[in-house]
Amino acid sequence: QSALIQPPSASGSLGKSVTISCTGTNRDVGGYGYVSWYQQYPGRAPTLLIYEVNKRPSGVPDRFSGSKSGNTASLTVSGLRTEDEADYYCDSFAGNNIWVFGGGTRLTVL
Amino acid sequence: QVQLVQSGGAVVQPGGSLRLSCAVSGFIFTDYRMHWVRQAPGKGLEWVAFIQDDGRKKYYADSVKGRFSISRDNLNNMLYLQMNSLGPDDTAVYFCARDFNWGCDYWGRGNMVTVSS
Repeated sequence: QSALIQPPSASGSLGKSVTISCTGTNRDVGGYGYVSWYQQYPGRAPTLLIYEVNKRPSGVPDRFSGSKSGNTASLTVSGLRTEDEADYYCDSFAGNNIWVFGGGTRLTVL
Repeated sequence: QVQLVQSGGAVVQPGGSLRLSCAVSGFIFTDYRMHWVRQAPGKGLEWVAFIQDDGRKKYYADSVKGRFSISRDNLNNMLYLQMNSLGPDDTAVYFCARDFNWGCDYWGRGNMVTVSS
């Protein structure tokens, strides 16, 4: 049950776009279409941004988008706003009825 | 509206036990699978356990298998996590969360569990 690999940090300028990667294996990210992305502010519970690789729950702005290629999933945040500064986590169903999270990425908006 | 209200966090001695509770409302509990997820201080999220909507199937992370037990009371809309043989590595904020297409769409606010002598 190794954690998915995310860059510890990412940054982007106001109004621009940034992409955060999430690398796993063919036993998790590459093997299933069940990758989710979460946003978490310090001291708060996570909130769901993306599920099933690229679907947005109602209420999530379309500035947030997800994709996947092979064993790597990606979250793109477009039109960066100051309130996007937070921690972002990916997770994936990993078969054998287990789930695995990424280590998290702290996004800084410049 | 959907609510997951947690209780049960505490300071526990190594080797001790604790039960966390999560009271849900605002949705049909029996329609949803549920998870527990934890976060050690300053660290990332870690999936802990999963329970099917009818409670028949339960799955655990290797780090807690054999020590933790997830359960649910569908009559009273309650989710539980029984934690035994606690060690310092179990120190974390524990979140209950509702499964949504193999992700988690609603989360409780979290309970701090500190394992320390």
